Amino acid sequence: DAGVTQSPTHLIKTRGQQVTLRCSPKSGHDTVSWYQQALGQGPQFIFQYYEEEERQRGNFPDRFSGHQFPNYSSELNVNALLLGDSALYLCASSFRVSSGGGGLAKNIQYFGAGTRLSVL
Amino acid sequence: GDSVTQMEGPVTLSEEAFLTINCTYTATGYPSLFWYVQYPGEGLQLLLKATKADDKGSNKGFEATYRKETTSFHLEKGSVQVSDSAVYFCARADRGSTLGRLYFGRGTQLTVWP
Repeated sequence: DAGVTQSPTHLIKTRGQQVTLRCSPKSGHDTVSWYQQALGQGPQFIFQYYEEEERQRGNFPDRFSGHQFPNYSSELNVNALLLGDSALYLCASSFRVSSGGGGLAKNIQYFGAGTRLSVL
Repeated sequence: GDSVTQMEGPVTLSEEAFLTINCTYTATGYPSLFWYVQYPGEGLQLLLKATKADDKGSNKGFEATYRKETTSFHLEKGSVQVSDSAVYFCARADRGSTLGRLYFGRGTQLTVWP
């Protein structure tokens, strides 16, 4: 059973360019969240997609946009790249069952290994 | 202010030493709390969680107890191993959910020497 997969693993762009990152959720999961992890920092929530719609959004500018496809996979797009956008971008997937109870494997978000974006 | 605050690292211990990594949170109500671990070059892995006050999460010898009085969720392990070397993140969820937005601390780097 494949976990959360992200592509590409590494990416180098220049300022002003646009980038698209991709995420395939864990089998059976229908919800995808994206996080930005700057060097030496904890992950910061960008947004979450469920049923192909953005359901929650963190404090990120409109340059950050996303999409979820019918097969639950997702893309993160960043326009007009800035040097400060250099970071590890993490995708997390989950399944929207009712919360409460269950073991460690239930009601949690699983993370991919991330895409390392460098903006020069 | 910060939603989740963890003790700053790096933390360096000898094998079999006792580990404590402090974590406190600010939130309305009683959100679910988590510890995630990140090994070099990998994504985050859930280590343990607690969904209500006084719950104790445990996994792989690690434990953390949800203390509502002190709004804390400190991570402990009685005897660390070299393989525990990683970055540890404390996180909280939005109140009432474990599947929505997560708020992470800055992470604590742990290095265990043989």
